[in-house]
Amino acid sequence: DAKTTQPTSMDCAEGRAANLPCNHSTISGNEYVYWYRQIHSQGPQYIIHGLKNNETNEMASLIITEDRKSSTLILPHATLRDTAVYYCIVRGGYSGNTPLVFGKGTRLSVIA
Amino acid sequence: GAVVSQHPSWVICKSGTSVKIECRSLDFQATTMFWYRQFPKQSLMLMATSNEGSKATYEQGVEKDKFLINHASLTLSTLTVTSAHPEDSSFYICSSSPPGQNYNEQFFGPGTRLTVL
Repeated sequence: DAKTTQPTSMDCAEGRAANLPCNHSTISGNEYVYWYRQIHSQGPQYIIHGLKNNETNEMASLIITEDRKSSTLILPHATLRDTAVYYCIVRGGYSGNTPLVFGKGTRLSVIA
Repeated sequence: GAVVSQHPSWVICKSGTSVKIECRSLDFQATTMFWYRQFPKQSLMLMATSNEGSKATYEQGVEKDKFLINHASLTLSTLTVTSAHPEDSSFYICSSSPPGQNYNEQFFGPGTRLTVL
């Protein structure tokens, strides 16, 4: 699985959009970009994933650059409950029989 | 989505005792489950892969005789920390995914916090 690089921490004002970047310059053609988050003392939670097209769901949007070497997770209207560590993970598509490998992630603090 | 539960949510034990942690898939059959541990302010580290009906596969540096994994049914995997010591105090988390290609995500349990005195 390709390595990812994320900022250690970020702050965001409540109600504003939170934009979390991730670099994955060694991503290969069949690897997806996944985002998970972990709220303090809980198990990680899936947010979104994509291959090359931008994706949107009820939680967030994922913007992947054309060369696929980086991506941005967007939380459109951050709330205090979005305070968590966000992990960007690059891997093959089906995740049933292979584990996720977590990096250090970005600690997002949403401030009132 | 699929649900994974863990029991207990927290446990405190004395040094030298053994502790069993359960991971259950509530609404799907889990042929494979993963066990992670997380020390304070650190990321999740994969400990082992638990396969129903066969031996678990341990990551390098994880003692298989200390962390016993049993995956005797399609909905239950257990992790037993034998002769626990204070350095085993950690947050233990399991994950799994329903079979078939329809699921691209892993579903995580809520975690078990182990404190060894």
